[in-house]
Amino acid sequence: GENVEQHPSTLSVQEGDSAVIKCTYSDSASNYFPWYKQELGKRPQLIIDIRSNVGEKKDQRIAVTLNKTAKHFSLHITETQPEDSAVYFCAASKEGTYKYIFGTGTRLKVLA
Amino acid sequence: GAVVSQHPSWVICKSGTSVKIECRSLDFQATTMFWYRQFPKQSLMLMATSNEGSKATYEQGVEKDKFLINHASLTLSTLTVTSAHPEDSSFYICSASRTSTDTQYFGPGTRLTVL
Repeated sequence: GENVEQHPSTLSVQEGDSAVIKCTYSDSASNYFPWYKQELGKRPQLIIDIRSNVGEKKDQRIAVTLNKTAKHFSLHITETQPEDSAVYFCAASKEGTYKYIFGTGTRLKVLA
Repeated sequence: GAVVSQHPSWVICKSGTSVKIECRSLDFQATTMFWYRQFPKQSLMLMATSNEGSKATYEQGVEKDKFLINHASLTLSTLTVTSAHPEDSSFYICSASRTSTDTQYFGPGTRLTVL
């Protein structure tokens, strides 16, 4: 079935450094890839998304890249800050079902 | 815009009772709403997809008679956990989208504890 793998499961970086989280999807029909940030006990918040007709998208310190051929996409956070500490989830969705298949999550810790 | 609320935020109930959780889109009309379950330190597992005015579509392994979903209007969907058992204890989160192709916006979640 459809599957989204996410790595790493945990990531610690020094404040100011960059963080990269990678996801791989199995269904080549997937065409929408959102990224969510979830703080402990709170709702997932959309931070950036990308559609399959675009290879890269950037919003200030956050960027997402998509490689359709390899079926993987990545989240890049630059100049990390302590408030970036949270769990990040990638997801993949395809036209026709619109369901999100979530990755397993990455716990990011930014050390001050 | 795109605010989703959930009520209650937490609930404790006895085994065998039923619990209803509401999910509302406050500033937009949600054609589609989704219900997820999340265990501690784990990912979100989709339980069902509901479209306004039609029956919900349940994911494999989710008992539709135990988790009753109603999407009676474009701003409200409800999840009723019937005959709750301790293993039903979890964090339940809903999401809503304007159209089936749109981004999902999540509610704050409901923590259910069944004693």
